[in-house]
Amino acid sequence: QSVLTQPPSVSAAPGQRVTISCSGSSSNIGKNYVFWYQQLPGAAPKLLIYVNNKRPSGIPDRFSGSKSGTSATLGITGLQTGDEADFYCGTWDDSLNAMIFGGGTKLTVL
Amino acid sequence: QVQLVESGGGLVKPGGSLRLSCAASGFTFSDYYMSWIRQAPGKGLEWISDISGGGSAIYYADSVKGRFTISRDNAKKSLNLQMNSLRAEDTAVYFCTRAFCNGGSCYGGSSEYWGQGTLVTVSS
Repeated sequence: QSVLTQPPSVSAAPGQRVTISCSGSSSNIGKNYVFWYQQLPGAAPKLLIYVNNKRPSGIPDRFSGSKSGTSATLGITGLQTGDEADFYCGTWDDSLNAMIFGGGTKLTVL
Repeated sequence: QVQLVESGGGLVKPGGSLRLSCAASGFTFSDYYMSWIRQAPGKGLEWISDISGGGSAIYYADSVKGRFTISRDNAKKSLNLQMNSLRAEDTAVYFCTRAFCNGGSCYGGSSEYWGQGTLVTVSS
């Protein structure tokens, strides 16, 4: 059972938009920045979004992040088949003194 | 460019020990928090341990506390993980990661760069 809650899977057609939620609490998302990671099949995770809503260089603006209270959301527009991957949210938990992750969300582009 | 290369994984019997290493290059190693994160087969990401740039601040997940020890050698730009009393549930790919830092501050819960991972299998 992960401290951060994500839907196990989401799906949408190519070109469509999808959102992935990440729900936490006051000791983690409520107090700290949220980071999102994309893990393509067979690869190491890659940083997708940092400090809630910023994109590292090289990440297209089709990817966006937001945070409100104790929840965060990853948005992906203009879906492509190459976007199929597992997505994880992560942050620090002040009560646990630990980095925590969501359970991961598998994106399928139909 | 930033590179993180893990080594030391392999097959070990329950109760055994293993030492993982991560060779870092392309950045000022001593300026960054570093982490070990693992992923069991077919499962999600699990944070294991963090160590500050100077090595004075160390954190562990409850699942490995007392069994695993993180350390670093800034002169050699190396991050290490000594794993003792290994269990079957420690079987996973272990990733070495570098924290996201900006303006001299590193953000807890962040991993900006990841190595390719090294597989640890605990089985009799």
